[in-house]
Amino acid sequence: EAGVAQSPRYKIIEKRQSVAFWCNPISGHATLYWYQQILGQGPKLLIQFQNNGVVDDSQLPKDRFSAERLKGVDSTLKIQPAKLEDSAVYLCASTRTSGGAGTGELFFGEGSRLTVL
Amino acid sequence: AQTVTQSQPEMSVQEAETVTLSCTYDTSESDYYLFWYKQPPSRQMILVIRQEAYKQQNATENRFSVNFQKAAKSFSLKISDSQLGDAAMYFCAYRRAYGGSQGNLIFGKGTKLSVKP
Repeated sequence: EAGVAQSPRYKIIEKRQSVAFWCNPISGHATLYWYQQILGQGPKLLIQFQNNGVVDDSQLPKDRFSAERLKGVDSTLKIQPAKLEDSAVYLCASTRTSGGAGTGELFFGEGSRLTVL
Repeated sequence: AQTVTQSQPEMSVQEAETVTLSCTYDTSESDYYLFWYKQPPSRQMILVIRQEAYKQQNATENRFSVNFQKAAKSFSLKISDSQLGDAAMYFCAYRRAYGGSQGNLIFGKGTKLSVKP
């Protein structure tokens, strides 16, 4: 089966500009995550969707970041305006279920590397 | 809040030898899951092994095994017969079993493993 698809792989922008990242999860996966991975650190959750509803966006900087998952399939993460500290890799992951008795392995995309100058 | 700590930023092992990566975590919950993920330079996270906290038996996947010490909140990864393809960043991750945001992974900062031929 096809994996998690993300685009673009690389993006370079000036600070205060905007950028959008796209993610298409594995077919049938109800839960979708966006993680931010700053160089030298582990990924940190930005937002979690269950179908097209938000489960957790407590760590999303809502003054500049937004995300949507229309129709419960693919998702877009937007940053506007970007700051220097937003330079990171943005990882998308999906899983069939978010919890319960199953361990629900998360499947990750290759990520989108953002450089803000 | 749950935290995951990996105290070894970098490790090195000779090909065919054995190496152990350390991980400790902090949680007040009794039921949870623990994971080791591998992130090669291409950046796609791949699940290596997982452990359910309610299971006393340590998980094993081919050359990969864990030493799970629940009371000590320790979860180390042992890689036997190391291969060049094992070189990567390794992340320890925690996931709660129940409650809000279940399914979200909390990651450590990672350990960079180098394999010498």
